[in-house]
Amino acid sequence: EIVLTQSPGTLSLSPGERATLSCRASQSVRGDYLGWYQQKPGQAPRLLIYGGSSRATGIPDRFSGSGSGPDFTLTISRLEPEDFAVYYCQHYGGSPGTFGQGTRVEIK
Amino acid sequence: EVQLVESGGGLVQPGGSLRLSCVGSGITTSRYAMAWVRQAAGEGLQWVSSVSAGAGTTYYADSVKGRFTISRDNSKNALYLQMNSLRAEDTAVYYCATHKVTTFRPFEHWGQGALVTVSS
Repeated sequence: EIVLTQSPGTLSLSPGERATLSCRASQSVRGDYLGWYQQKPGQAPRLLIYGGSSRATGIPDRFSGSGSGPDFTLTISRLEPEDFAVYYCQHYGGSPGTFGQGTRVEIK
Repeated sequence: EVQLVESGGGLVQPGGSLRLSCVGSGITTSRYAMAWVRQAAGEGLQWVSSVSAGAGTTYYADSVKGRFTISRDNSKNALYLQMNSLRAEDTAVYYCATHKVTTFRPFEHWGQGALVTVSS
């Protein structure tokens, strides 16, 4: 079973700064089976990135995904106030869904 | 606008049963594999179960295998999760979601969630 480890656990940044979130798989995985989600308090998750680097419908271009197995990155180029949230990576290749434990991006 | 609306959550005693429902609007759910994903309070996301668009193939997380059953009624644009032999560790918000077309694809649309509490 593939385990996804996200780092850091919490990222404290100011609006306008760049955020770099990491997701490491316990074994090499195909990038086209890697996705990223954003979740705000009291809301359902929202798909941001799929296939490692493709933005989902309606997602601003300040969000970008990159990497190849086992290391993947979600980058938010300039944080907007609405971007402070928890972010999860997901691998959906070997089973329908394995999630990382999440990275919280909080306002510094 | 795509909407998935869950219902059927509530308080149940350990060992009891509950059936969750999810109805879609603004989307023909029969075209998509669908899933249940849960989240315990203050915790991360855990995939629970998925079913193919035609309902012919189902998948379960090891933690619920043999206790939960996923099903769908495409004529009603509906997804279900029958949960038996419930345990305290099943307490969570349960989200209904569509896969991006087939299983082994990301979760594209999500419901607002239904809270299931297993406690005596």
